[in-house]
Amino acid sequence: EIVLTQSPGTLSLSPGERATLSCRASQSVSSSYLAWYQQKPGQAPRLLIYGASSRATGIPDRFSGSGSGTDFTLTISRLEPEDFAVYYCQQYVNSPPIFTFGPGTKVDIK
Amino acid sequence: EVQLLESGGGLVQPGESLRLSCAASGFTFSSYAMSWVRQAPGKGLEWVSGVSRSGGGTYYADSVKGRFTISRDTSKNTLYLQMYSLRAEDTALYYCARWEDGSRNYFAYWGQGTLVTVSS
Repeated sequence: EIVLTQSPGTLSLSPGERATLSCRASQSVSSSYLAWYQQKPGQAPRLLIYGASSRATGIPDRFSGSGSGTDFTLTISRLEPEDFAVYYCQQYVNSPPIFTFGPGTKVDIK
Repeated sequence: EVQLLESGGGLVQPGESLRLSCAASGFTFSSYAMSWVRQAPGKGLEWVSGVSRSGGGTYYADSVKGRFTISRDTSKNTLYLQMYSLRAEDTALYYCARWEDGSRNYFAYWGQGTLVTVSS
């Protein structure tokens, strides 16, 4: 079973600053199967990134994803007020199909 | 516009059963795999179950295997989750999500969730 670890647990930043969120897998993950989601209080998760680096439809280009193997990163180049939220990474394995989410990183206002 | 509308949540006692539904619209339901993802109060996301486009393939997290059954009715554009032998730890907001299967595998669309509370 692949375990995802996200760090830091909480990231306190100011609007305009750069946010770097880490997602580490306990064993190598296919980049094709790594996604990132944003969740705000009282809302459903929203897909940001799939395939480790592809932005979902309508996602601003200040969001970018990178990484391979066991280390993946979500970067928000300049934080906007609406970006303060919890971010989850997710991976998938086949045979049998199983999805795993990381515990999340909360980005809050400093 | 893709819409997923969950229903069927509620308060049940430990050991009881409950069936969740997810009404899908705005896309060709039979062309997509579907999943349920849950979130316990104040906690993170946990994948629960998935079903293939045809309904012939069903998949479960170990935490619910043998107790939950996922199914779909293409004629009604509806996804179901039948939950048996419910436990306190099943208390969560249950989301229905469209599973983009194939070369990527992620959840592009989510419903707003239905709350299941298991308590005596």
